[in-house]
Amino acid sequence: DTGVSQNPRHKITKRGQNVTFRCDPISEHNRLYWYRQTLGQGPEFLTYFQNEAQLEKSRLLSDRFSAERPKGSFSTLEIQRTEQGDSAMYLCASSSRDSYNSPLHFGNGTRLTVT
Amino acid sequence: DAKTTQPPSMDCAEGRAANLPCNHSTISGNEYVYWYRQIHSQGPQYIIHGLKNNETNEMASLIITEDRKSSTLILPHATLRDTAVYYCIVRVGGAQKLVFGQGTRLTINP
Repeated sequence: DTGVSQNPRHKITKRGQNVTFRCDPISEHNRLYWYRQTLGQGPEFLTYFQNEAQLEKSRLLSDRFSAERPKGSFSTLEIQRTEQGDSAMYLCASSSRDSYNSPLHFGNGTRLTVT
Repeated sequence: DAKTTQPPSMDCAEGRAANLPCNHSTISGNEYVYWYRQIHSQGPQYIIHGLKNNETNEMASLIITEDRKSSTLILPHATLRDTAVYYCIVRVGGAQKLVFGQGTRLTINP
């Protein structure tokens, strides 16, 4: 399968714990995105990388959230001191450098439940 | 990015064409129209995009009005597996992120 891969698919954690999610984009896609989706809502943009550079961050990305893409390949999203409001689906997407309007291709997400 | 308006829900009979409308009356000349769909518990799936010409691929057809203020996504022979939330998004050419709205929940009935 050459699609966007996200791990784990599900994560249950207790409030106050730290969690980390991983995203492996489509091979050779240089652009990588993180989104968050809560029940009944469309996905909300969190942040965007071009290669290893984080070029845009949403106001939704509080200081408890940090995303990295150290070698321009896979990315991690860490949430520190989780809160119940962090419960959501976290989606990763990637797109190609081939065209400036290349579509984003999404993974199936990591569903986080904070108890 | 321009705002889009979609009906919250639609029904269609299996085997018939599903026509999903989208209004983007404030679209700018350099904004593309994208369509995605999201089946329950999966990530959004890219369907098609266009600027001003009609587009067709193996999944669907995209019809954009001449004034570009609205578009229609056509699924020519809907199946039960097409039941999903469909998102219409306008995106500035060269911009990176997509901004999702609420979408249309399409239900295909047997």
